[in-house]
Amino acid sequence: GGIITQTPKFLIGQEGQKLTLKCQQNFNHDTMYWYRQDSGKGLRLIYYSITENDLQKGDLSEGYDASREKKSSFSLTVTSAQKNEMAVFLCASSIGQSNTEVFFGKGTRLTVV
Amino acid sequence: QQQVRQSSQSLTVWEGETAILNCSYENSAFDYFPWYQQFPGEGPALLIAIRSVSDKKEDGRFTIFFNKREKNLSLHIKDSQPGDSATYFCAASMTGSWQLIFGSGTQLTVMP
Repeated sequence: GGIITQTPKFLIGQEGQKLTLKCQQNFNHDTMYWYRQDSGKGLRLIYYSITENDLQKGDLSEGYDASREKKSSFSLTVTSAQKNEMAVFLCASSIGQSNTEVFFGKGTRLTVV
Repeated sequence: QQQVRQSSQSLTVWEGETAILNCSYENSAFDYFPWYQQFPGEGPALLIAIRSVSDKKEDGRFTIFFNKREKNLSLHIKDSQPGDSATYFCAASMTGSWQLIFGSGTQLTVMP
């Protein structure tokens, strides 16, 4: 088994601030993802990475940057926090493409004041 | 346009009943359909999945019924327990894709 660790668990930022969310996995998975979860809207893909140093944009990438410097870690940066950015950000990983099991972390809850 | 649609935001059943959660999709190229279960404060976890070559997948009390022609599927939870109370997400992807498309979720409450 393995685990996905997201830090911090809770993040409070100011409007306009640049904020970074971190994720580590010890599954030794090649693929990592960042999803955003809004109440009543399901999960939407922000960025994914199929290997170290690879970055691919999802449907919701505008306003975000990502970085995959190591196989085990994937970070997400909110480039300029907006009031409507209050959401839970979920990191995930899988051994291959999306038709294999995707494992999720517990999330980072972002609040912008 | 929502590619994966879950018709009910919430569903309440009594303990022992069968809960039925429905899902439909737009893209006929989708060929893999997992259901994820999420408890409060946790990330989603894979519950059961089906590929489009099958019309039924069973795992204990959980069964997926899949209708390719109608582009819909349902998750049946037999003998529902209060511990099954959670949010259930239907998702879909296609071979060769890295994207898993999620529905908006159904919050299931099982009353004791």
